[in-house]
Amino acid sequence: NAGVMQNPRHLVRRRGQEARLRCSPMKGHSHVYWYRQLPEEGLKFMVYLQKENIIDESGMPKERFSAEFPKEGPSILRIQQVVRGDSAAYFCASSPPQGGSQETQYFGPGTRLLVL
Amino acid sequence: DAKTTQPTSMDCAEGRAANLPCNHSTISGNEYVYWYRQIHSQGPQYIIHGLKNNETNEMASLIITEDRKSSTLILPHATLRDTAVYYCIVRVAPPNTGKLIFGQGTTLQVKP
Repeated sequence: NAGVMQNPRHLVRRRGQEARLRCSPMKGHSHVYWYRQLPEEGLKFMVYLQKENIIDESGMPKERFSAEFPKEGPSILRIQQVVRGDSAAYFCASSPPQGGSQETQYFGPGTRLLVL
Repeated sequence: DAKTTQPTSMDCAEGRAANLPCNHSTISGNEYVYWYRQIHSQGPQYIIHGLKNNETNEMASLIITEDRKSSTLILPHATLRDTAVYYCIVRVAPPNTGKLIFGQGTTLQVKP
């Protein structure tokens, strides 16, 4: 059973460009979470999605950031007009839909975004 | 979610047990204690979780005090590969769950 997959693993963008980060959850998981880790800082929650729904986006910056989890395909975290402060590691996690103690989140390897 | 307090750093000799404490004095009755670790900027790795009873799996044991105000993660035979930042997180029971709130964690250094 493959784990959470993220691509690309490394992404370099110039200021003003767009960044698209993809996350494929574990098989059978329908809940996806995105977290960001700035250099030398802890992980911060960004957004929680289920298929075609945003459940909690309380950690998303108000501008330039958006996320989706379509019925088919991976979850996408999109950052428009990137700035140097967006340079960070972005981690995706997934969990199964059953609830109870089985709703443990499992993390992917992350995407390292560098904005020049 | 309740706040947790962990020591900033700890050392452990290779082959010995590593005992990582966590205080969560404001934990509510329906909140679980979760432990994750992050090895050198890799994705966080789930270790174990529990509600009231002690738990054990192939990676570690979790000891929760009777009043649930603190817990200890035990790695029974630490190896150099266990060097990582360990996060203790308390979390509302599913299904009303979502975000994990990561603190600064404990940096465990396993030494030869």
